[in-house]
Amino acid sequence: GAVVSQHPSRVICKSGTSVKIECRSLDFQATTMFWYRQFPKKSLMLMATSNEGSKATYEQGVEKDKFLINHASLTLSTLTVTSAHPEDSSFYICSANPTGNSGNTIYFGEGSWLTVV
Amino acid sequence: DAKTTQPNSMESNEEEPVHLPCNHSTISGTDYIHWYRQLPSQGPEYVIHGLTSNVNNRMASLAIAEDRKSSTLILHRATLRDAAVYYCIPLRGPFGNEKLTFGTGTRLTIIP
Repeated sequence: GAVVSQHPSRVICKSGTSVKIECRSLDFQATTMFWYRQFPKKSLMLMATSNEGSKATYEQGVEKDKFLINHASLTLSTLTVTSAHPEDSSFYICSANPTGNSGNTIYFGEGSWLTVV
Repeated sequence: DAKTTQPNSMESNEEEPVHLPCNHSTISGTDYIHWYRQLPSQGPEYVIHGLTSNVNNRMASLAIAEDRKSSTLILHRATLRDAAVYYCIPLRGPFGNEKLTFGTGTRLTIIP
């Protein structure tokens, strides 16, 4: 089946630095990808919709200058957490739906654990 | 978006059937009912979806009430690998670039 891959799976960074997380669709093209954040024992919270070739659409309350999203190609979206703080430590997950897909399945990446120290 | 209500947690013995309920009383006529599950420390994965008729696939069965205000995900023979959080999500059709709104889901524990 279709695969969405995230990298890195785990990352530790120092407070104040920036960290980039990649989301790749390995065997399909996706004009739209989605970024979620999940805190321990909590549900997934949608952060933004990543649109290939245009600006991302952010959900209410999500700072666009802090969570930079770039959808450079039909198979790659990146999330950059800028000036990271310990409260940004979380599990970040992306998803993608194959372009032209008439429905059925949305594919998720394996997730990326971010720890800010 | 239609709201959903699921039990916070359920337990089942290994190799027994499991019935996971979901109430979606505000679902619209064109909403499909999707189920996803999330295993520990992984991204969610698709389980099954349906509109009106009951559905079966290799992972599970989905029983949809006649009034569509509730549905039940059925795992016919639970294994330890089925321990996960199960999410019931109404999605508008036809599909395009749908974003999923996750509720709290049901945490399923399988007892060996």
